Amino acid sequence: QQPVQSPQAVILREGEDAVINCSSSKALYSVHWYRQKHGEAPVFLMILLKGGEQKGHEKISASFNEKKQQSSLYLTASQLSYSGTYFCGTEEPGFQKLVFGTGTRLLVSP
Amino acid sequence: DSGVTQTPKHLITATGQRVTLRCSPRSGDLSVYWYQQSLDQGLQFLIQYYNGEERAKGNILERFSAQQFPDLHSELNLSSLELGDSALYFCASSVGWGGYNEQFFGPGTRLTVL
Repeated sequence: QQPVQSPQAVILREGEDAVINCSSSKALYSVHWYRQKHGEAPVFLMILLKGGEQKGHEKISASFNEKKQQSSLYLTASQLSYSGTYFCGTEEPGFQKLVFGTGTRLLVSP
Repeated sequence: DSGVTQTPKHLITATGQRVTLRCSPRSGDLSVYWYQQSLDQGLQFLIQYYNGEERAKGNILERFSAQQFPDLHSELNLSSLELGDSALYFCASSVGWGGYNEQFFGPGTRLTVL
């Protein structure tokens, strides 16, 4: 079941904040977040596990609401380098594979 | 640079043909994943191998097959190619399998079927 991401796109000015949401209709074991710049490979940002454990880059923060099967990625004080497409990938218990959402395009302008 | 290598970078071929995409994982990684990304689309999981064995399968077409070799490199074989198979194919690797392992993506192979 493909997770739903919102918003589909967002435009920010440098220094502004943004929240990207990822929602699934299935119970989840983990949520992964990746960023992909145009023409490049996706780059790992964060993993959030059922039970509260998480790992990722220090400057990135995210949350995982297990009861609602929702995750949010928080981008604060955005920089130009934050521009790209953000994908969440969800893993259902026992399935051992990530299903990625369709992505959220973020553009940060000066 | 993620440490994952993929060859070739670009591949142009005709419908009905067969191609092989190659992936070498990061040193120490035992899992290899294959993804397909069509134009402006998300990442579609195809298949995963862990230490030579198939661990998980996505919506991989019967015309597609993959394997992971003893040296841990992996190959994705695409046969009877159709126009709709044109896409960017990514390989990713991780240390283990399961949700706690971040995946490191290679630069991708862009396949164009004419």
